[in-house]
Amino acid sequence: EAGVTQFPSHSVIEKGQTVTLRCDPISGHDNLYWYRRVMGKEIKFLLHFVKESKQDESGMPNNRFLAERTGGTYSTLKVQPAELEDSGVYFCASSQEEGNTIYFGEGSWLTVV
Amino acid sequence: KQEVTQIPAALSVPEGENLVLNCSFTDSAIYNLQWFRQDPGKGLTSLLLIQSSQREQTSGRLNASLDKSSGRSTLYIAASQPGDSATYLCAVRRRGGTSYDKVIFGPGTSLSVIP
Repeated sequence: EAGVTQFPSHSVIEKGQTVTLRCDPISGHDNLYWYRRVMGKEIKFLLHFVKESKQDESGMPNNRFLAERTGGTYSTLKVQPAELEDSGVYFCASSQEEGNTIYFGEGSWLTVV
Repeated sequence: KQEVTQIPAALSVPEGENLVLNCSFTDSAIYNLQWFRQDPGKGLTSLLLIQSSQREQTSGRLNASLDKSSGRSTLYIAASQPGDSATYLCAVRRRGGTSYDKVIFGPGTSLSVIP
């Protein structure tokens, strides 16, 4: 069974540009989460989808971040325009039901220069 | 507000030693607690999940305990190996509020096992 996959694995962009990160959860997992770890900080929750609906987006830092999950399958996280402080690792995770083990992807490593 | 801390921040041990990693959380109203490991440049690998009603979980050389009332969890690694070298993260899933699924991570313990 394929795990959570994320694309791209690494991305280097200039300040002001746009980047779109993609996450494919484990097949059949309705719950999809985005987390990020910026340099020197702890991993922080960004948002949680249940199927195509945003269950909790309280962790989204500002309106430069937009997450979507059309059709309840894969999800995208767009950063527009990117700022230097957005550099870090963006993790996607999924779980089958609330309360179950959460499985993480390898992360998308973003560097904004 | 739930806060998760991990002690020590870094640990270096000789191969073969048994070791304990500590995790503390401030709010005992948790749904479950999960231990992860992260290798450099890699994602998070789930090690053990302890539900709030459980006291411990075991997998191979790993044993995780949970004392919800005192807000503590420990990860015990027996007979450590160089391949155990990684960052170990404790994550607490809260109960209540708008979502069960807001997981709060600790800062991690960086473990180095010396051959």
